[in-house]
Amino acid sequence: EPEVTQTPSHQVTQMGQEVILRCVPISNHLYFYWYRQILGQKVEFLVSFYNNEISEKSEIFDDQFSVERPDGSNFTLKIRSTKLEDSAMYFCASTRGQNTEAFFGQGTRLTVV
Amino acid sequence: EDQVTQSPEALRLQEGESSSLNCSYTVSGLRGLFWYRQDPGKGPEFLFTLYSAGEEKEKERLKATLTKKESFLHITAPKPEDSATYLCAVQGGTGGGNKLTFGTGTQLKVEL
Repeated sequence: EPEVTQTPSHQVTQMGQEVILRCVPISNHLYFYWYRQILGQKVEFLVSFYNNEISEKSEIFDDQFSVERPDGSNFTLKIRSTKLEDSAMYFCASTRGQNTEAFFGQGTRLTVV
Repeated sequence: EDQVTQSPEALRLQEGESSSLNCSYTVSGLRGLFWYRQDPGKGPEFLFTLYSAGEEKEKERLKATLTKKESFLHITAPKPEDSATYLCAVQGGTGGGNKLTFGTGTQLKVEL
């Protein structure tokens, strides 16, 4: 069964460092997303990406965040100059089209120390 | 702004004891309501999509229903392996964005 894969599963980084979270969406999906979940809180939308550009972003997705689809299979989230409050589980998701179910990866647990 | 409220926050059932989880929502133009299951430390696992009031979907011991203001996830004769957090999310608006707005979830524990 096709699935969304994320690497690494856990990343620890020093405050102020840059991190790149990687995702391989399901191969025939066209829409890609990043969500995050701070421990004990709800899953929050960060950004959606379609046709090689950002289609929607939340207030959380400020200038320290960026996304990229560097090739035909990978989708990345870059966080520049990480802060303690960026510590969370980051989920990548993809959908085949609009209004269709999103399939989520297993997440990357980011710990900023 | 889309809002999703789930209740109860936590639910403890005996094996075989049926119950329902509630998801109340406010959204401008519902395009879809989604139910997910989330195990600890894992990503949300898709269960159901409902698009219009009156719609129902079933899968094994789970049945999801939708009205204009809320959705219910009915669990019939649950087993310990049904223990998980159940998340409700809505997709709304007319702007074409696909983002999901999630509730905080109901943490279900099924005991022998």
